[in-house]
Amino acid sequence: AQSVTQLDSHVSVSEGTPVLLRCNYSSSYSPSLFWYVQHPNKGLQLLLKYTSAATLVKGINGFEAEFKKSETSFHLTKPSAHMSDAAEYFCVVSLMNTGFQKLVFGTGTRLLVSP
Amino acid sequence: NAGVMQNPRHLVRRRGQEARLRCSPMKGHSHVYWYRQLPEEGLKFMVYLQKENIIDESGMPKERFSAEFPKEGPSILRIQQVVRGDSAAYFCASSPDTMNTEAFFGQGTRLTVV
Repeated sequence: AQSVTQLDSHVSVSEGTPVLLRCNYSSSYSPSLFWYVQHPNKGLQLLLKYTSAATLVKGINGFEAEFKKSETSFHLTKPSAHMSDAAEYFCVVSLMNTGFQKLVFGTGTRLLVSP
Repeated sequence: NAGVMQNPRHLVRRRGQEARLRCSPMKGHSHVYWYRQLPEEGLKFMVYLQKENIIDESGMPKERFSAEFPKEGPSILRIQQVVRGDSAAYFCASSPDTMNTEAFFGQGTRLTVV
């Protein structure tokens, strides 16, 4: 079965310091992986996606993620946090054996950014 | 091109009442997905629809929940005889086709059952 595990429920950083949000996946197939961001009382916005092209994926707002098959990881990083990055981040895998894009969400990581 | 539109944004229902949640997909999108987010949890897939067809409803509770996507008009998620445990955020997403394309999410409807 395909699933994702987000290792941290909360991550706190100071503005200007690096961000690391961890995600491990489990998949029998070559997975499609995504990171979504959810700001308070807002919908979800796609940050980036991996679909078996380049293993280093660049997304919006300076975020990037690296697909590491040997470690079954897809961690999200950003060199320098901004106050506006404070939000909930979801690592997501797309099930490939259903005939359609069925998304399986991790439990989320809440990023807190302090001044 | 407007995004995925969901209404209402907030809905309060008493136990036993019906809740109707609406989703208008992005222009040109014929595939609609509904997800539910319980408090402090990630989103869980509920149902996938195309125009006039339910393709996969494996995530829908067996009773009280139904969904439709008529030929004309928005997709509707209907919850009959709501209970406190139905309180959640319900998100709709749409895509132009089935695979390898981004699903665009609406802002969600937050249902509170009192």
